[in-house]
Order: sequence, then structure tokens, then C-alpha cells
Amino acid sequence: AQSVTQPDIHITVSEGASLELRCNYSYGATPYLFWYVQSPGQGLQLLLKYFSGDTLVQGIKGFEAEFKRSQSSFNLRKPSVHWSDAAEYFCAVGALVTGNQFYFGTGTSLTVIP
Amino acid sequence: DSGVTQTPKHLITATGQRVTLRCSPRSGDLSVYWYQQSLDQGLQFLIHYYNGEERAKGNILERFSAQQFPDLHSELNLSSLELGDSALYFCASSGLAGGLYNEQFFGPGTRLTVL
Repeated sequence: AQSVTQPDIHITVSEGASLELRCNYSYGATPYLFWYVQSPGQGLQLLLKYFSGDTLVQGIKGFEAEFKRSQSSFNLRKPSVHWSDAAEYFCAVGALVTGNQFYFGTGTSLTVIP
Repeated sequence: DSGVTQTPKHLITATGQRVTLRCSPRSGDLSVYWYQQSLDQGLQFLIHYYNGEERAKGNILERFSAQQFPDLHSELNLSSLELGDSALYFCASSGLAGGLYNEQFFGPGTRLTVL
């Protein structure tokens, strides 16, 4: 069965520090992977997506993610965090077999301290 | 602004009642998805409609139903409401029926509170 695990429920980083949010997936075929961000009181916004090709994908707001098939991971990174990055981050895997159903992780809440 | 609209923004009702949540997808998008976000369950896929037809069902209760109309807007009907149905309900839209190449664009959500 398809599933996504985000092992870190909450992460706190200092502004200007680097960030890595972990995501592990379980899927029987080639995964289609996404990272979404949810700011307080807002809907989800797509940061980046991976379908195929280069395993390092660039997204909006300076984020990038690396797909590692051997580790079943799709970790999100940012070299220098800004206070405005404080939000909830969701990793998702798309499942073609059930009509583009998305399976979301439980999310990682990011706090940025000055 | 994703282009997906949801109404109402907030809804407060009592147990046993029935409510209808409305979603208008982005212009041109044929697929609509409904999700429930609660503190204990996270973000759960409920149901997917494409051009008026149901395409996939997730963790949707029998008390819940949805439909997509000819103008492509969708409604999620929640009946016999229970306290545990209190959650944020999101609608998302995308361009293709089964294509994963299109991202899902999320609306701002409807916050349902059942008292």
C-alpha cells in the first residue's frame, strides 16, 4: 500500500540556518512525489514535484528536494531559512492506480527563530 | 491565490445536522478532489471527481457524499454530523483525469465545527 512518512513532527531552526525536512515513501511503482507548504489559515501550495529525470529538483522560494530511490526518500532542503518559511510542510506521493489520488504525510511544522 | 474557491470559509453546526460544502475549481480544470484535515488523522483523501463522474474514493464515510455538476463545481455533503467530523475540508483541482503530471491546486478550505 502507498504511504508517506514524515518522521519529524516539529522542527525549529534559526533564521539563516540550513533546513532539511525528511520524507520517506512506500509505493510499488515509480513514485510521483510532491512537497506542499501550508501557511497558517491557508490552503496548500505546491513547492516542487518529481516525476522523472534529474533526481534533484528545484522549487519555488529557494527550496529543492532530492529523490533517492535506494532510500525511498524525497527530502526537502533549503540552504538558508527565512522567517517567512515558518509553516507546515507536507510530502505527498501520487498514486496513478487510483485516479491521481494523493497520499500525504502527517506534516512537519517548522518554527523559525530569529 | 490558487484559483480554487471554497464556500463557506467557516461553518458551525450541531451534531446530527447536515451541511453542504461548495468548491469551484480553477477555470478549465475537470478534476476535483476533496480532503479532510484533522489534528488526529492528518490530511486524508476523500473522493475524486472528473468531469462529473466519480473516479476514486478514499477514506470517505457513508454519511458523506459528493457530486460534481455540469458547470464543474462540486459539493460535499456531510450528514448526521458527529463531533469527530470537525475538521478543515479542502478541495483541490487539476487538469487531467488520471494524469499525475498536473499538480493539484488547493482551495483555502472550509473549517467545520460540530458542537
